[in-house]
Amino acid sequence: NAGVTQTPKFRVLKTGQSMTLLCAQDMNHEYMYWYRQDPGMGLRLIHYSVGEGTTAKGEVPDGYNVSRLKKQNFLLGLESAAPSQTSVYFCAHKESLAQETQYFGPGTRLLVL
Amino acid sequence: GNSVTQMEGPVTLSEEAFLTINCTYTATGYPSLFWYVQYPGEGLQLLLKATKADDKGSNKGFEATYRKETTSFHLEKGSVQVSDSAVYFCALSDRANAGKSTFGDGTTLTVKP
Repeated sequence: NAGVTQTPKFRVLKTGQSMTLLCAQDMNHEYMYWYRQDPGMGLRLIHYSVGEGTTAKGEVPDGYNVSRLKKQNFLLGLESAAPSQTSVYFCAHKESLAQETQYFGPGTRLLVL
Repeated sequence: GNSVTQMEGPVTLSEEAFLTINCTYTATGYPSLFWYVQYPGEGLQLLLKATKADDKGSNKGFEATYRKETTSFHLEKGSVQVSDSAVYFCALSDRANAGKSTFGDGTTLTVKP
């Protein structure tokens, strides 16, 4: 599983509800990423982190927040879910800036009704 | 900004056929290039990579050559198998941009016996 787990695997939300997706890696890597995958659109970067205590916006950050309080965990929050956030969410990590290969989790499928 | 364009799919081949999936990129610097593969219900995993011009990445019979003059990184395999059926993503990683990756939209390959 590339040293990364994602929780939950699947979730159904109603519009306006909130939830947190958890990504946990056991490889002591510095960089972590949250992507969303939608049909025919590849992967789009939501937020990322270059180390414990840091976060930064990616390509599509609106409606999401993140935190990296511990090096091994990267949390993605949806404060008020919208149907447009129905997607598959992937977490990824990599060792450093120089080590460019990313390791992906198995994904979380989210359906917002 | 950076971008990756993949040939549109889906692609359907018979077993033992030759495979080419085209990928071209636009980048301001000197990115590293990747092919990732995604099997049904799983996250992406690295298939091969190349870090500089004229490098050839190879793995499991797949090959791709980093062509700076044509800004391309086409994926090839001489004889595909049913087990190669998956979605293939071309991607670039830009160390000058916090190591963020840009992904193509993915190409679905189906190999029939």
